Amino acid sequence: EDQVTQSPEALRLQEGESSSLNCSYTVSGLRGLFWYRQDPGKGPEFLFTLYSAGEEKEKERLKATLTKKESFLHITAPKPEDSATYLCAVPTGTASKLTFGTGTRLQVTL
Amino acid sequence: SQTIHQWPATLVQPVGSPLSLECTVEGTSNPNLYWYRQAAGRGLQLLFYSVGIGQISSEVPQNLSASRPQDRQFILSSKKLLLSDSGFYLCAWSSTLGLEYFGAGTRLSVL
Repeated sequence: EDQVTQSPEALRLQEGESSSLNCSYTVSGLRGLFWYRQDPGKGPEFLFTLYSAGEEKEKERLKATLTKKESFLHITAPKPEDSATYLCAVPTGTASKLTFGTGTRLQVTL
Repeated sequence: SQTIHQWPATLVQPVGSPLSLECTVEGTSNPNLYWYRQAAGRGLQLLFYSVGIGQISSEVPQNLSASRPQDRQFILSSKKLLLSDSGFYLCAWSSTLGLEYFGAGTRLSVL
């Protein structure tokens, strides 16, 4: 069965304190890995798609990387506005379904 | 560009009342459509998905049903709401690439 596990569940950083979020996956035949950001009370917002091991994508203070077993979302010098829940997901099954991790709740304080 | 509309944003319903949540997509044709529920502090649980008009697949047994009367319209319904139906409901669409785009969500409180 395809599985996606995210860690840590919650992370509290001070502004400027860099860190990484982990997404490990077990899926037969990876067809991509997606990162989303979700603010409280809103729908997830797409951040990145990664398709092959070694691939990296960047957007402002965020960088996503992919290996054969896991993906990392690196946050460099975070700001309070980066506070959100970050979700990763992989396509599974035959009908373009996504399996989501439970997310990492990030809080960045001044 | 494609947009997804989901309404209402917030809904408070008594136990035993019916439910109808609607989702429409603009700017694309023949999308895959999805209904998710998200409990507080938890991940996304896929409830239903549809690959075409009238084609509905249910992921978990429950008190809810879904329908797709038109290509870009997806409806989540219940005949009698339960307390356990409370949660945050999200509609999403995807193209053949598998990436899903989400609506703003509906916060449902069953009292």
